[in-house]
Amino acid sequence: EDQVTQSPEALRLQEGESSSLNCSYTVSGLRGLFWYRQDPGKGPEFLFTLYSAGEEKEKERLKATLTKKESFLHITAPKPEDSATYLCAVQAPYGGSQGNLIFGKGTKLSVKP
Amino acid sequence: DTGVSQNPRHKITKRGQNVTFRCDPISEHNRLYWYRQTLGQGPEFLTYFQNEAQLEKSRLLSDRFSAERPKGSFSTLEIQRTEQGDSAMYLCASSLVVLEVYSYNEQFFGPGTRLTVL
Repeated sequence: EDQVTQSPEALRLQEGESSSLNCSYTVSGLRGLFWYRQDPGKGPEFLFTLYSAGEEKEKERLKATLTKKESFLHITAPKPEDSATYLCAVQAPYGGSQGNLIFGKGTKLSVKP
Repeated sequence: DTGVSQNPRHKITKRGQNVTFRCDPISEHNRLYWYRQTLGQGPEFLTYFQNEAQLEKSRLLSDRFSAERPKGSFSTLEIQRTEQGDSAMYLCASSLVVLEVYSYNEQFFGPGTRLTVL
């Protein structure tokens, strides 16, 4: 069964303290891995798409990387405004569902000043 | 604002009542998706449309749920005879898919409709 597991469930950082969030997946034939940010009471906001192992994407203090079994979201020198839940999702492989993304439960990040 | 919009943002209803939510996707997007999200969980897929055709429904979508996308534009999600277990955030997303083989299906989400069933 296709599955996405994120760790840790929650992460507390001090402002400026860099760290990484993990997303491990089991899917037969990855077509895309997506990172989203979600603020409380709001819909997920798209951050990155990664397709192949070794690929990296960056946006401000965030950097996403992909291996054959997992993805990391690296946060460099975070600020309080980076506090949010970060969701990882994979696209279902060919032959399976063509429409949906399979999401993990997310990592809730809190950055204290 | 050219993003995905959803209405209403909040809905409180009594058990047994029917509710309907609306989603307006990004205008040039041909696919529209409905997800449900409960506290502490990631979004779970319910159904999706390509233009006006409903192409897939999740096992989560019971007979009390129905979705439409007339004319391939906005979509509605109706829940009949609501139950307390239906309380959740209902999210709509849209994407542009030209050729399935070459598409990475980046989905853009709306703000959601928070449903509370008393």
